Amino acid sequence: DAGVIQSPRHEVTEMGQEVTLRCKPISGHDYLFWYRQTMMRGLELLIYFNNNVPIDDSGMPEDRFSAKMPNASFSTLKIQPSEPRDSAVYFCASSFVGQGVNYGYTFGSGTRLTVV
Amino acid sequence: SQQGEEDPQALSIQEGENATMNCSYKTSINNLQWYRQNSGRGLVHLILIRSNEREKHSGRLRVTLDTSKKSSSLLITASRAADTASYFCASFVFEKLTFGTGTRLTIIP
Repeated sequence: DAGVIQSPRHEVTEMGQEVTLRCKPISGHDYLFWYRQTMMRGLELLIYFNNNVPIDDSGMPEDRFSAKMPNASFSTLKIQPSEPRDSAVYFCASSFVGQGVNYGYTFGSGTRLTVV
Repeated sequence: SQQGEEDPQALSIQEGENATMNCSYKTSINNLQWYRQNSGRGLVHLILIRSNEREKHSGRLRVTLDTSKKSSSLLITASRAADTASYFCASFVFEKLTFGTGTRLTIIP
C-alpha cells in the first residue's frame, strides 16, 4: 500500500482565492481525519469521518472551511476564501478500528499551505 | 485544543545515550500513542499503550503509562542520529486522537 496520499505537497495562493486539498486514505481504513499544524497551536483536529460520514467538525475554524468525503478513497478540504492566517501544514490521516480497538493512525506527508 | 503537555520541550543528548520524554494529559483515555515527526514530514506511529497497561516495549522503545497521574513516558535506548525528530504523545478518547505539544529531540553524533 502506498500509504495516505495527499496533494498538492505545497500550495501558495493569494488571499481570497479558493484552495482545495486532497487526500486518498489507505484502502480498508474506515476513519479519515484532517489536522492542521502550526507553530502557535500545534496539531489541531479539524474534522473526521467514519465510513465517509462526517462525525465531528467542531474543530473547523470557520465557515470558510469545508470538507467532503464522497467515497471511501477520496476526501477534500476546501478553504474559500483563503486568508493569510490559514497558512499551515494540513495533514490527512486514516485509521482502522477493529472490535472497538484503534491501532494507530497513518498520516500523509501533508500539504504546506501559504496564503499571501 | 491540545489534550496534553510534553516535557521537556527540547532535548539534546549524545549518540548512544538514552532519551526520556514525558507526557501529561487531561482526561480519561482509551489508549495513549506516541508518534515521531521528522522535519517537514508527516507523523509516524511508534507505539500504542492501552489504558489497562502499565508498560510496553517495542525494540528500543519503552513506554509507561500511569493513569492515576494521567502521565506517560517514552524511553528511547541507545539513541542514534536517525532518532533526531519531534516526538508527540497523543491521547485517544472515543474515536479522536488529541496531540500534545511535542518534544524536539536532537541526537549529537
